Amino acid sequence: NAGVTQTPKFQVLKTGQSMTLQCAQDMNHEYMSWYRQDPGMGLRLIHYSVGAGITDQGEVPNGYNVSRSTTEDFPLRLLSAAPSQTSVYFCASSPLGSTGNTIYFGEGSWLTVV
Amino acid sequence: AQSVTQPDIHITVSEGASLELRCNYSYGATPYLFWYVQSPGQGLQLLLKYFSGDTLVQGIKGFEAEFKRSQSSFNLRKPSVHWSDAAEYFCASYSSASKIIFGSGTRLSIRP
Repeated sequence: NAGVTQTPKFQVLKTGQSMTLQCAQDMNHEYMSWYRQDPGMGLRLIHYSVGAGITDQGEVPNGYNVSRSTTEDFPLRLLSAAPSQTSVYFCASSPLGSTGNTIYFGEGSWLTVV
Repeated sequence: AQSVTQPDIHITVSEGASLELRCNYSYGATPYLFWYVQSPGQGLQLLLKYFSGDTLVQGIKGFEAEFKRSQSSFNLRKPSVHWSDAAEYFCASYSSASKIIFGSGTRLSIRP
C-alpha cells in the first residue's frame, strides 16, 4: 500500500537547470496537487489537477509546469531553477466527489538551488 | 479571498500540561476544516477534520478541535501533552475547486 510516492527525496540544482519532481499515487484518486513549504509561510499551492488531462494554477504557479497524462502520475517541472525555488515540495492526492475528503501527502522532496 | 490564520508561530508547553492551538478562518459559507501534524523531516498526517454536525471533533492521538462559527475559529486542544507531540501543526480549510488552503503553522515544543 504505497499511497503517494515522491521522488527524489533530496536534490541540489544549479541556477538555470531544469528538473522534474515525480509524484505517483496508487489509490485511483482524481485530485492531485503540489505544494511548497517555506518557513513561516505554511504550505502554498503551486498547481493542482482534478483528473487526467486537467490542470490548474494554485497560489504560486510561476516557474513551474505540470501535466496529468494519467490518473496515477502528476510530475512537477522546474523549467529554469532559481534560488527562490529552494523549498520542500509536497505532492498530495484525494478522491473527488465529496468536498472535504482526506488529502494524502507524500513524504516531501527537499530541493536546494544554488 | 479565503484565508486561514494561525496567530501563534511557536508555543512551548510543559509535558503533561494542556494545549490549545489557535486557528481562524475566513470563508463565507460553512468551511471544511482540518488539522494536520508534521514531525521533523516528515510529511503531513491528518489529525482531524470538520465538515458539519457536532462542532466538537475528536481526532487521533488524543486531540480534539472545536468549531465556533461566531468566532470563525477551529482551535486544536489536548488535555495533556506528551513529549512526542512536539511537531509543527497546520490548520487548513477546503476552498472551492478542490483547493486546500493552509495556515502558516504553529511549532510546538515540549518542556520536560
